[in-house]
Amino acid sequence: ILNVEQSPQSLHVQEGDSTNFTCSFPSSNFYALHWYRWETPKSPEALFVMTLNGDEKKKGRISATLNTKEGYSYLYIKGSQPEDSATYLCAFLVSTLTFGKGTMLLVSP
Amino acid sequence: EAQVTQNPRYLITVTGKKLTVTCSQNMNHEYMSWYRQDPGLGLRQIYYSMNVEVTDKGDVPEGYKVSRKEKRNFPLILESPSPNQTSLYFCASWTASTSGYTFGSGTRLTVV
Repeated sequence: ILNVEQSPQSLHVQEGDSTNFTCSFPSSNFYALHWYRWETPKSPEALFVMTLNGDEKKKGRISATLNTKEGYSYLYIKGSQPEDSATYLCAFLVSTLTFGKGTMLLVSP
Repeated sequence: EAQVTQNPRYLITVTGKKLTVTCSQNMNHEYMSWYRQDPGLGLRQIYYSMNVEVTDKGDVPEGYKVSRKEKRNFPLILESPSPNQTSLYFCASWTASTSGYTFGSGTRLTVV
């Protein structure tokens, strides 16, 4: 079983704060790293799929970076809004997708 | 609309009564997978399929069966459900591209 670690487990910030989370994964046999946003009771939705070392992707106020050599990825949210409150999952793809346990973000107005 | 459809959304059943959770996708994806989500444990893979008639065990396959007779369908079968299979189940599909997985809406199963 592959080990995908996310930190912190949960985070509570104020509206307007910028924040970031970490995902660490095995640095060998890398194929792709996925980020998902999960706002219960909905199902997880894909944010980014990252495949290249040094990759940086952006969607609105959310961005992600990837370091495959050292086995980590960061997800950044700039100027958090209450609607950003969700659980953010990263997942490591080799032959199949292994998920971390997620970072639960709560943004207070 | 491109989607993964799971049924039922909610199910309460009794121990030992066989049940099937259906999953269907309309995107012609080769890859389909089942996950269960439990508090504190995250999403854990039960079974996956890379194409028709090809299925493999994930991390927690005990007590489950799957089949992939057609590309679009990937049912999850619990032959003899037990209370420890009470969980939230997600089906997902994917094709090798830059897109992520597409998830179904989830099935909340309670086994009493």
